Amino acid sequence: QVQLVQSGAEVKKPGASVKVSCKASGYTFTSYGISWVRQAPGQGLEWMGWISAYNGNTNYAQKLQGRVTMTTDTSTSTAYMELRSLRSDDTAVYYCARLTAMVADYWGQGTLVTVSS
Amino acid sequence: QPVLTQSSSASASLGSSVKLTCTLSSGHSSYIIAWHQQQPGKAPRYLMKLEGSGSYNKGSGVPDRFSGSSSGADRYLTISNLQSEDEADYYCETWDSNTRVFGGGTKLTVL
Repeated sequence: QVQLVQSGAEVKKPGASVKVSCKASGYTFTSYGISWVRQAPGQGLEWMGWISAYNGNTNYAQKLQGRVTMTTDTSTSTAYMELRSLRSDDTAVYYCARLTAMVADYWGQGTLVTVSS
Repeated sequence: QPVLTQSSSASASLGSSVKLTCTLSSGHSSYIIAWHQQQPGKAPRYLMKLEGSGSYNKGSGVPDRFSGSSSGADRYLTISNLQSEDEADYYCETWDSNTRVFGGGTKLTVL
């Protein structure tokens, strides 16, 4: 069965960086993309970007351009999302989701990132 | 880029039906969308892909009580025979070559 298992919760200080992992299993990793989505406390879903696990091509949300980098390690079927220069409004649960023909059809369990001094 | 509009809340009684709406912005009425369910404290769950024709494809394990339909720029999610576990936030999502967007979500209360 398809599973996306994310890394554990993180607490970071403003200005620091965080790297969240998303380990895929149950399917051929390089045949799909991975989308990253975040959700601030009590708020809706916000798309951050996506990466093709086939060729590493990325597409980032304009508001995060320059602060976010998405990568994959095909040897371990793991996707990564790194966010730099963290601010308090980056506090959120971060999700990865598998993209099947552009449809996000399986989601990870989420990773809480707290930014606080 | 497309914009998706959803009502912020909806309510219906246990065992009844409810129809949630997601409206695509002008110029984007032909777009395919996806519906996702987020139960309290949980990750989102993919429900279905819904085309402008009204054709839909559900995710694995999604009950038959969930169905989709379309009319113009509106995309609908209908839940029949409401159960307590259907109380959740429902989000629509769409995409183009450069971006993906979510609607603001509808909080469904089962009375």
